[in-house]
Amino acid sequence: DAKTTQPPSMDCAEGRAANLPCNHSTISGNEYVYWYRQIHSQGPQYIIHGLKNNETNEMASLIITEDRKSSTLILPHATLRDTAVYYCIVRVGYRDDKIIFGKGTRLHILP
Amino acid sequence: DAGVIQSPRHEVTEMGQEVTLRCKPISGHNSLFWYRQTMMRGLELLIYFNNNVPIDDSGMPEDRFSAKMPNASFSTLKIQPSEPRDSAVYFCASSGTGAHEQYFGPGTRLTVT
Repeated sequence: DAKTTQPPSMDCAEGRAANLPCNHSTISGNEYVYWYRQIHSQGPQYIIHGLKNNETNEMASLIITEDRKSSTLILPHATLRDTAVYYCIVRVGYRDDKIIFGKGTRLHILP
Repeated sequence: DAGVIQSPRHEVTEMGQEVTLRCKPISGHNSLFWYRQTMMRGLELLIYFNNNVPIDDSGMPEDRFSAKMPNASFSTLKIQPSEPRDSAVYFCASSGTGAHEQYFGPGTRLTVT
């Protein structure tokens, strides 16, 4: 699986949009971008994934650059409950295969 | 659905004792994963099963660790004998065929003294 690079930590004011960047310059054509988050003391939680197009669900939006070498996870209206470690992962989709977690970005939502 | 169920949630044991962690995946899911999380090493995959068959156990640290999946609804991770460096949070996750997401359980916090 391709390696990802994320900032170790970020701050965001409550109610504002949180934009979390991820670099994956060695991504292969058949690899998807996935985002998970881990709230303190809980198991990781799937957020969203995408291949080429931008994606949106009830939790977040995922913006993938045209060259697919980077992406941004957007939490449109951050709340205190969004304080967590966010992991960006690239892997081949539609496979029952392992996830390799990096260090992620620790997002602090400030009241 | 109750989600992935793990037991016990907390386990404190003495060095040298046998420890068994249990996991019940989401009904209908055919892949099951065991992860370990520590401050030093982060989240790391230990082993995963597909249709009850171990596919990749390269993350199992040593022979003291063993995992089984006797049927589609139950898996165990056993440590014998346990050591203080095994102290960690152990997560179980499951996923369905062709599914993109893995669903994680709440974890078992293991402390070996």
